[in-house]
Order: sequence, then C-alpha cells, then structure tokens
Amino acid sequence: ADQLTQSPSSLSASVGDRVTITCRASQAISNTLAWYQQKPGRAPKVLISDASTLESGVPSRFSGSGSGTDFTLTISSLQPEDFATYYCQQFSIYGFAFGPGTRVDIK
Amino acid sequence: QVQLQESGPGLVKPSQTLSLTCTVSGGSISGGAYYWSWIRQHPGKGLEWIGYISSSGSTYYNSSLESRVTISIDTSKNQFSLKLSSVTGADTAVYYCARAPRAVSKIDSWGQGTLVTVSS
Repeated sequence: ADQLTQSPSSLSASVGDRVTITCRASQAISNTLAWYQQKPGRAPKVLISDASTLESGVPSRFSGSGSGTDFTLTISSLQPEDFATYYCQQFSIYGFAFGPGTRVDIK
Repeated sequence: QVQLQESGPGLVKPSQTLSLTCTVSGGSISGGAYYWSWIRQHPGKGLEWIGYISSSGSTYYNSSLESRVTISIDTSKNQFSLKLSSVTGADTAVYYCARAPRAVSKIDSWGQGTLVTVSS
C-alpha cells in the first residue's frame, strides 16, 4: 500500500510566519493529493485538492504544490485560527492513505 | 448541503462486533458519484482509512483491516454501515463517516465522528 510521510511532525510558529509542510510519497504518484486541517474535537476540513487546487472558502494564504513524490502545503502568513494539525492524503488503487500529520503550535 | 451523521453503540465488548450507521441528509446516496467511506482516529493519533462503498455496492477495504471489515449500503434509507468484527482495545477510536467524490481524490464531507470504546 502507498505510504505517506510528513515533515516536520510538529512545529512552533508565530502569527505572521510563513509555514511550509512537506508530504512525501513512497513512490511517484499523480496529483491525487489533498491537504486537510483538523482542530481538536473536530472533523478534518479539506484545504487543497489535486495537489494545488484551493477549496472554495479556504483563505488564499493556503497553497499547495508539488508532483511526483514530493508535495508541500504553504501558509503564507500564519493566522491565530491556523493553529491545528495538518494531514496530507492520497487516493490510489489501494484506496485512501493519510500522512501522519503535522501539528502547528503557537511559539 | 449534504450532512452525514454517525450512530451506534459507544461501548463494545472485546471480541464482539462494532456496528455503526451513517445517515446521509441533504443529498442522495444513490447516483454513483461518490465513494461513501469510513475513517477512524485513535485517541491523540492520526487518521486511518477503513474502507469505502459505492452506491452500486462495490467495496474496497484497507488491507490491514480487510479480514474484519464489512461496509454495506441501504439506498432506500440513504444510509451506509460499518461492521468491524473481533474487536480489541486497539479498535477504540473516533469513527467518522465521509463522502469522497469519485472524480476527485479528496474527501469533501465528514460526519462529526463518534467515539467507540472497546472495553469489558
């Protein structure tokens, strides 16, 4: 089955910082990669689909990029409401697979 | 806007079968446009996809759980269900039902999640 890794596993940042989270696939994949934000006690919310398509209603400070095995989620200017855990997710012939998550904390 | 709601026992005894139902409102579960999925999250941990079913009844399961999982669909009730057999404490988790458009690789709608504890 496909495996996804994320780095870092956690980070501390300040409001206004630029934050980049990386997701790496065990083998080259198409752009069938999505990014989610999850806050405690809540279901995940999709931010980015197809590696770089911003979902409706998601602030433009979020962006996604990448291809092959390496993908990134960037938050251009971190806001207080962005402190959460972020997951990448891939869809393949094996079904869905999630990365282990990156927790973004307040510095 | 579609809404999904999980229901079922919050406590299951070891070795028994966990059974959950997801009721879909605000949209039809028929039509073939979506994969209807179950995903779980162990306490304080990441997300684990369990499996999905299409409106035609085709299923696909996580290979690590496949021997114990059954997902079914009842289009007349606009519901789909999860059964997980021979549960242990390792199956204690928040269980989410979710919808994934077949044309795109994302999960676009989630239930609120329900905590299932496996304990005697």
